[in-house]
Amino acid sequence: EPEVTQTPSHQVTQMGQEVILRCVPISNHLYFYWYRQILGQKVEFLVSFYNNEISEKSEIFDDQFSVERPDGSNFTLKIRSTKLEDSAMYFCASSEADTEAFFGQGTRLTVV
Amino acid sequence: QQPVQSPQAVILREGEDAVINCSSSKALYSVHWYRQKHGEAPVFLMILLKGGEQKGHEKISASFNEKKQQSSLYLTASQLSYSGTYFCGTKGGGSTLGRLYFGRGTQLTVWP
Repeated sequence: EPEVTQTPSHQVTQMGQEVILRCVPISNHLYFYWYRQILGQKVEFLVSFYNNEISEKSEIFDDQFSVERPDGSNFTLKIRSTKLEDSAMYFCASSEADTEAFFGQGTRLTVV
Repeated sequence: QQPVQSPQAVILREGEDAVINCSSSKALYSVHWYRQKHGEAPVFLMILLKGGEQKGHEKISASFNEKKQQSSLYLTASQLSYSGTYFCGTKGGGSTLGRLYFGRGTQLTVWP
């Protein structure tokens, strides 16, 4: 069964460092998303991406965040200068259209 | 635009029933239900697109009252495997690019 894959599963980084979280969406999907979940809290939307551009972003997605689809398969989230409060589980998701979004297993980011 | 879920937590014995509610102050286009086990990604359960629609998946079903901007998830004869946090995600408007707004989740614990 096709699935969304994310790497790495866990990343520890020092405050101020840049991190890139990687995702491979399901191959025939056209809509891509990043969500995050701070431990014990709800899933929060960060950004949606369609047709090689951002279609929507939340207030969380400020200038330190960027997304890219560098090739036909990968979808990345870059955090330029990490802060302690960026520590969270980051989920990538993809969907065909206005259908269910399939989530990857997540990358746990720990900023120390 | 975040939907409100109730109750926050439910504790059941195996075989008992539960209802989880999701309501929004905004007009809804669709409601998506997910279950998340601790440390794992949210797993899609079902999507409801039309007012008054009901859907079922084994012993889990849901309804969507478009006029009341509410959805309910019904878990019948609960099993141990039903334990987890249930999130509703809502989309407003008619755009396929609309983001999902997730509620804070309802933690369901099923005991033998």
